Amino acid sequence: DAGITQSPRYKITETGRQVTLMCHQTWSHSYMFWYRQDLGHGLRLIYYSAAADITDKGEVPDGYVVSRSKTENFPLTLESATRSQTSVYFCASSVTGGGYEQYFGPGTRLTVT
Amino acid sequence: QQPVQSPQAVILREGEDAVINCSSSKALYSVHWYRQKHGEAPVFLMILLKGGEQKGHEKISASFNEKKQQSSLYLTASQLSYSGTYFCGTERSNDYKLSFGAGTTVTVRA
Repeated sequence: DAGITQSPRYKITETGRQVTLMCHQTWSHSYMFWYRQDLGHGLRLIYYSAAADITDKGEVPDGYVVSRSKTENFPLTLESATRSQTSVYFCASSVTGGGYEQYFGPGTRLTVT
Repeated sequence: QQPVQSPQAVILREGEDAVINCSSSKALYSVHWYRQKHGEAPVFLMILLKGGEQKGHEKISASFNEKKQQSSLYLTASQLSYSGTYFCGTERSNDYKLSFGAGTTVTVRA
């Protein structure tokens, strides 16, 4: 029972590089989410997806791109990484939206130098 | 809008009780509570829906005051395993987008 996994777990990249964070869930949950966690800010929603090929912006989407061609995968791409995008990124999934718990992946710690 | 959590931190001895509050300036559809241990992912504790009842999880319970748009998490007879950072996540209008508070760090000492 793999649940929800993220890769890589740790990543160091340089300013200006493109980097993709992967998220995979085995529950066939409809909804998937990307959050970033920074000290003092809690978790902030970047993008979410209600189903394959349906995505929408969250609170802090600038500088990020997502896609969802398959229900189980929800990659997050930083097109041109900046130091301000150094953070811990969590992917989450939910069986459906509205009033249902979200299950979080283990996180990816990204450092942009 | 990010909900406001209080206190920011609390230190308890085993067996003591604590209350964590989560307030929003907007009308809420639901309030979620999660606990996160250092270096780990947040783990779901419970959810309170508008018009719903108080929920419980072991000796951790929560309430939702719709008039005040405030939720409270009650840690009763705390155990060492209760240590961690507690986050509330608020949802407006059944739109499945959670706004999280900044968190409350709970330290339980023997």
